Amino acid sequence: GDSVTQMEGPVTLSEEAFLTINCTYTATGYPSLFWYVQYPGEGLQLLLKATKADDKGSNKGFEATYRKETTSFHLEKGSVQVSDSAVYFCALYKGAQKLVFGQGTRLTINP
Amino acid sequence: DTGVSQDPRHKITKRGQNVTFRCDPISEHNRLYWYRQTLGQGPEFLTYFQNEAQLEKSRLLSDRFSAERPKGSFSTLEIQRTEQGDSAMYLCASSPSGVWDSPLHFGNGTRLTVT
Repeated sequence: GDSVTQMEGPVTLSEEAFLTINCTYTATGYPSLFWYVQYPGEGLQLLLKATKADDKGSNKGFEATYRKETTSFHLEKGSVQVSDSAVYFCALYKGAQKLVFGQGTRLTINP
Repeated sequence: DTGVSQDPRHKITKRGQNVTFRCDPISEHNRLYWYRQTLGQGPEFLTYFQNEAQLEKSRLLSDRFSAERPKGSFSTLEIQRTEQGDSAMYLCASSPSGVWDSPLHFGNGTRLTVT
């Protein structure tokens, strides 16, 4: 079945460091891909999405490019801030109103 | 936009008891979703409503689970004869249109502990 695999966490970085959180997927066809983020004490919210191969989603300084050849959707940010500390979830969508989530990666940014 | 509200925040119950959770979506959202999240895992889809109609159900939703959305507003998720394996965070989300077109707005969840 369809699945999403994220890099193991937790990830701890210093402020202004470069961030990459790896995400790969297994699915037939052409899923849409998403990153959702959960800040402390809040519900999950959409960070960015890409709907077809080579699309780049971006928001709040974060970017991810839909790479069909490597079935990947890695999340990147050039300079992280303490406020980026959260749990990040990669997800795919193929229909039936059902998102398939990865296991989540906890990110902590130290000042 | 007051956000998606879930009640209760926490529920502790003994094995074999029935529990019911409530979700109040964002008022203008006609789509409502239930997900379950266990420790260290991402959310898993349980079911989906468009207005009052339940249109999709996961095979994770055994016959001990039932969800309703009367009048297309709030929704309830009931678990009968709870088992320890039901311990999880139950998440509700809503959206104004389908997953492909609009983001899901998640509530903070109801954490269920079955002892």
